[in-house]
Amino acid sequence: SYELTQPPSVSVSPGQTASITCSGDKLGDKYASWYQQKPGQSPVLAIFQDTKRPSGIPERFSGSNSGNTATLTISGTQAMDEADYFCQAWDSSTVVFGGGTKVTVL
Amino acid sequence: QVQLVQSGAEVKKPGASVKVSCKASGYTFTNYEIHWVRQAPGQGLEWMGMINPSGGSTDYAQKFQGRVTMTRDTSTSTVYMNLSSLRSEDTAVYYCAKRGSGSYFDYWGQGTLVAVSS
Repeated sequence: SYELTQPPSVSVSPGQTASITCSGDKLGDKYASWYQQKPGQSPVLAIFQDTKRPSGIPERFSGSNSGNTATLTISGTQAMDEADYFCQAWDSSTVVFGGGTKVTVL
Repeated sequence: QVQLVQSGAEVKKPGASVKVSCKASGYTFTNYEIHWVRQAPGQGLEWMGMINPSGGSTDYAQKFQGRVTMTRDTSTSTVYMNLSSLRSEDTAVYYCAKRGSGSYFDYWGQGTLVAVSS
């Protein structure tokens, strides 16, 4: 079965850039999406179709996807960005999520 | 505005079944798939399957085949997820999510906690 692999945690200082990777076989051939989830809340779509931001998502969030790796980048990270982030893709007709990355803003 | 409102928390005994509802509003119900995703305590997101509200066709994750049934009521714009033969490992928050115009989920319900305990 298809798998997406994320680092369990990423730490970043306020104002710096956080990069979260998501690895999967030929992931660049698929569309990757990213979701932000804060404690006790439902996931929120942050990036879709590799690079697109839904309305309401700050410009500091960006995405890329090439080869075997999709990346979510948070530029000028703020304390409010501290959350879990999950990548997601489709493999055939099955939806796959990465294991999630906890972003800590120190 | 688009809303997905789920039913309330449930406590079930092992072996029982649970039925969770997800009422959609703010968009044309039959135009977009509804998916179910669960999250065990402290764990990641796990896809369970989907239903196309237009014709009622379904597609379930292999892990849940034979235990999960998804249905819809177009008169009330509501989708239901029934999970049977519950075990303690099914304790989780269950989310419904609306698929957008591509391979992503643009709106999520508030989640329903299902606790399985003897």
